[in-house]
Amino acid sequence: NAGVTQTPKFRVLKTGQSMTLLCAQDMNHEYMYWYRQDPGMGLRLIHYSVGEGTTAKGEVPDGYNVSRLKKQNFLLGLESAAPSQTSVYFCASNAAGQETQYFGPGTRLLVL
Amino acid sequence: GQQLNQSPQSMFIQEGEDVSMNCTSSSIFNTWLWYKQDPGEGPVLLIALYKAGELTSNGRLTAQFGITRKDSFLNISASIPSDVGIYFCAGRDYGQNFVFGPGTRLSVLP
Repeated sequence: NAGVTQTPKFRVLKTGQSMTLLCAQDMNHEYMYWYRQDPGMGLRLIHYSVGEGTTAKGEVPDGYNVSRLKKQNFLLGLESAAPSQTSVYFCASNAAGQETQYFGPGTRLLVL
Repeated sequence: GQQLNQSPQSMFIQEGEDVSMNCTSSSIFNTWLWYKQDPGEGPVLLIALYKAGELTSNGRLTAQFGITRKDSFLNISASIPSDVGIYFCAGRDYGQNFVFGPGTRLSVLP
């Protein structure tokens, strides 16, 4: 039981490049989330999903897209990376009706 | 949008001392959560609160859900070196939107 895993752990991009961050959970959780964490700002919700095939916007969705084709995976895409997207990205999941969110170890993204 | 404020932003305490930190909101939440984040790791849930006025303990940690539903506090008794980290409060409204505070950074001096 690996919990929540994130790939990659660290990435450097040039402005305008695209990439996809992968989140996988093996706990059969219905809900999955993508957050970004910036110094002094806590965690801000980008997008979330309440089930396979469904996604919804969070607090800061602009510049990101997501997909939940399989229940266990939640993908975060950056179509054209900008320096403002330099951040640490965390994925989380929880079971329906439960408050306990399980977080992944984070992906550190640097956009030059 | 909804915002949470945490105080203090950071604190340095001696090992063995008690710690108190709080979280306030401009909005009402139905659930309050307290997380701890160690360096290089994701946050880990410490305590969840579901009712206004609720007081819940988890070992040396005690947290309360404010009566107005707009605030919560976390106390840590007899701090130890492994308590070092960033403590986040989070609130959840009727949906699945979790709002996080900016965190309180705790340092424990031996």
